[in-house]
Amino acid sequence: EVQLVESGGGLVQPGGSLRLSCAASGFTVSSNYMSWVRQAPGKGLEWVSVIYSGGSTYYADSVKGRFTISRDNSKNTLYLQMNSLRAEDTAVYYCARASSLHFDYWGQGTLVTVSS
Amino acid sequence: QSALTQPASVSGSPGQSITISCTGTSSDVGGYNYVSWYQQHPGKAPKLMIYEVSNRPSGVSNRFSGSKSGNTASLTISGLQAEDEADYYCSSYTSSSTLEVFGGGTKLTVL
Repeated sequence: EVQLVESGGGLVQPGGSLRLSCAASGFTVSSNYMSWVRQAPGKGLEWVSVIYSGGSTYYADSVKGRFTISRDNSKNTLYLQMNSLRAEDTAVYYCARASSLHFDYWGQGTLVTVSS
Repeated sequence: QSALTQPASVSGSPGQSITISCTGTSSDVGGYNYVSWYQQHPGKAPKLMIYEVSNRPSGVSNRFSGSKSGNTASLTISGLQAEDEADYYCSSYTSSSTLEVFGGGTKLTVL
């Protein structure tokens, strides 16, 4: 059974950093495209980043230069390192498996709150 | 402002059919057959309902169908049921640096 479990969310001050993790089971992270998608409170979905099976990475313009997506093949885990956080980064962050450019499995999400 | 345009809300009575539109450009919806649709109930993660314009994942009811014409994709739900009440989002691959764009979401109310 495919499962994605996010962790690492919490309250952080503006300008701070946070690293999100997404532990996968039932499939191999490194063999798939993996993405982060976020949802601000009461708002719609926003694509954040993707890492391709070959290792290429892409980011939304809103996070480029501040966020880094990566994976640990030995732990079958996806990460999102978030630096220079802003109030507008406050959201539930979902990891998702991106199968052929659609998101077929999603985690339960982890809440990131950026506030002083 | 979202890259793809969806109506904010639609409604229908049980048993009826509704259609949700998703309008983009030739750089996303119109240019690729990589449109997908997601259902999200309050407090839950999104669920894939349609991929590559009109394909249904295993386990999704055949009451859900997708189509595309030009720069506009559509999700049709037939035989509305109470459990269909949720938010629905479209998404598309895009040739821009963003790679993937979502619509602003449509709240479906089953009357």
